[in-house]
Amino acid sequence: LAKTTQPISMDSYEGQEVNITCSHNNIATNDYITWYQQFPSQGPRFIIQGYKTKVTNEVASLFIPADRKSSTLSLPRVSLSDTAVYYCLVGDGWAGNNRKLIWGLGTSLAVNP
Amino acid sequence: NAGVTQTPKFRVLKTGQSMTLLCAQDMNHEYMYWYRQDPGMGLRLIHYSVGEGTTAKGEVPDGYNVSRLKKQNFLLGLESAAPSQTSVYFCASSSSTGGLQPQHFGDGTRLSIL
Repeated sequence: LAKTTQPISMDSYEGQEVNITCSHNNIATNDYITWYQQFPSQGPRFIIQGYKTKVTNEVASLFIPADRKSSTLSLPRVSLSDTAVYYCLVGDGWAGNNRKLIWGLGTSLAVNP
Repeated sequence: NAGVTQTPKFRVLKTGQSMTLLCAQDMNHEYMYWYRQDPGMGLRLIHYSVGEGTTAKGEVPDGYNVSRLKKQNFLLGLESAAPSQTSVYFCASSSSTGGLQPQHFGDGTRLSIL
């Protein structure tokens, strides 16, 4: 059974690079790793998704080692508006006809001026 | 674009009352999900649907029922509300199973059971 572990909280300053790591042992071989961002009183919002190696989009990068037992979300040059909770999500295959999705408990990122 | 819309946004119920939460999506997505979010426990999947007319249990289905009569709508019902069901409920949709395609979330329904 897959399980995800991520830091409860992190602090940073404007302009710094922030790296948030999620550990996910026993991830299903054909499942992706996805990261979401959540602001207060809003639903989570998709940031980035990857399967292996490195993925980059306009807001973040995602690094996944060959064994896929962890992933690191990298936010370049954070600003105050990046203060939010960040969740990793991994698929854990199927249990019969039921899809298994494993959410992390979230990392609360505080960006200070 | 509306995306995923949840109604109502807030509700207070008394123990034993019943109610239905409505989720509507306009992206023609096949998959829809209901989650609850509680402090310190992250997101937990209640029920989900892989298409019109089909539903399946998630991680915490007890005390809830769902229906997907139309592709764009996914209803979550509480038959006899209990204080333990006080939570924020999120609906999401995706074009395929959530682990392979991004999920699009609504802004939640804040439900208090007294």
